[in-house]
Amino acid sequence: DAKTTQPPSMDCAEGRAANLPCNHSTISGNEYVYWYRQIHSQGPQYIIHGLKNNETNEMASLIITEDRKSSTLILPHATLRDTAVYYCIVRGSGNTPLVFGKGTRLSVIA
Amino acid sequence: DADVTQTPRNRITKTGKRIMLECSQTKGHDRMYWYRQDPGLGLRLIYYSFDVKDINKGEISDGYSVSRQAQAKFSLSLESAIPNQTALYFCATSDNLPVKGEQFFGPGTRLTVL
Repeated sequence: DAKTTQPPSMDCAEGRAANLPCNHSTISGNEYVYWYRQIHSQGPQYIIHGLKNNETNEMASLIITEDRKSSTLILPHATLRDTAVYYCIVRGSGNTPLVFGKGTRLSVIA
Repeated sequence: DADVTQTPRNRITKTGKRIMLECSQTKGHDRMYWYRQDPGLGLRLIYYSFDVKDINKGEISDGYSVSRQAQAKFSLSLESAIPNQTALYFCATSDNLPVKGEQFFGPGTRLTVL
């Protein structure tokens, strides 16, 4: 699976959009981009995933560049409860477990 | 009730002791995983199982063993605990759909080895 690069930390004002970037320049054609988050020391929680097209669900939007070498997770109206570590993971469609990096620690500030 | 449960939630033990961490799930998933997390780091995969008869080593399996007693149960054992196994341990499950691949995590077990 391709490696990912994320900034170690970011701040966001409450109510504003949080845009979390991820670089995955070695991604191959059959690999998906997944995003999970971990609030404090709880178990990680699935947010969203995508292959080529942009995706949106009730939690967030995922924007994948046309060359698929990077992506951005967007939390449209961040709240204090969105403070967490966000993990960007690239994974093939086969039988491979998720591999977590260090992620981005997002702090939402009142 | 939680879909993925872990017992115990906290455990303090001494070097050399045998420890078993248990995971149960009610999601009906075939696939189960054990991860550990050290402070400031992401999760690292210890072992995983795609069905009752399947066990696979992950990135950091040395010093650990697992048992898949049933579809719903996956136990992690430390045969002789050592201090650098102090960590937060997570169990996870997923279904057989490789594309979706969503993993559901338990609440974690905080293990301290003195």
